[in-house]
Amino acid sequence: DQQVKQNSPSLSVQEGRISILNCDYTNSMFDYFLWYKKYPAEGPTFLISISSIKDKNEDGRFTVFLNKSAKHLSLHIVPSQPGDSAVYFCAASVANFGNEKLTFGTGTRLTIIP
Amino acid sequence: GAGVSQSPRYKVAKRGQDVALRCDPISGHVSLFWYQQALGQGPEFLTYFQNEAQLDKSGLPSDRFFAERPEGSVSTLKIQRTQQEDSAVYLCASSLEAGGNTGELFFGEGSRLTVL
Repeated sequence: DQQVKQNSPSLSVQEGRISILNCDYTNSMFDYFLWYKKYPAEGPTFLISISSIKDKNEDGRFTVFLNKSAKHLSLHIVPSQPGDSAVYFCAASVANFGNEKLTFGTGTRLTIIP
Repeated sequence: GAGVSQSPRYKVAKRGQDVALRCDPISGHVSLFWYQQALGQGPEFLTYFQNEAQLDKSGLPSDRFFAERPEGSVSTLKIQRTQQEDSAVYLCASSLEAGGNTGELFFGEGSRLTVL
């Protein structure tokens, strides 16, 4: 049972344009959401997060939007740069569970075309 | 080192062999996690330590998998009698606080296990 879903395995975007990566979840207990970025042969690195009490969090070129009623979140990258080419994982956790146990999606491979 | 260090980076094992994967977390980090990432999938939770205490091992797929962190720093994930379905990248991650739930885990580069 996939509790966190990323339905687009890959996405190609022109450099300078906006990249939008989507993520859906089914577990209504999730209340903290994160995006991780992964380059080949490296471990995932934290990118941005959002608590369920917010609907938007922005950090430079990266913005995460959360729609709790739809159980959907998205990551916007604008403007997209070649260094953004990577696999992006959406992840979720339950606050106050006692640990930062994360449930990950299957990832979306983003390719930025110069 | 500054980051989470894992060894070996690559391991090829014959079916039935035992393997041990090591994780050196960031110094001072209380929480340590092991995840398994199969090809084309996202990381899946295996087990969690808070210092030396293993507080959650609900993700370990079978009793062939065993993890320890005896002194609250270095951790070892041991897989006994490896099977082909154990082939995956094993990721270790650490975080500074216990239950702080920032969710910001620092991952190592992973140990890629291939079972023939």
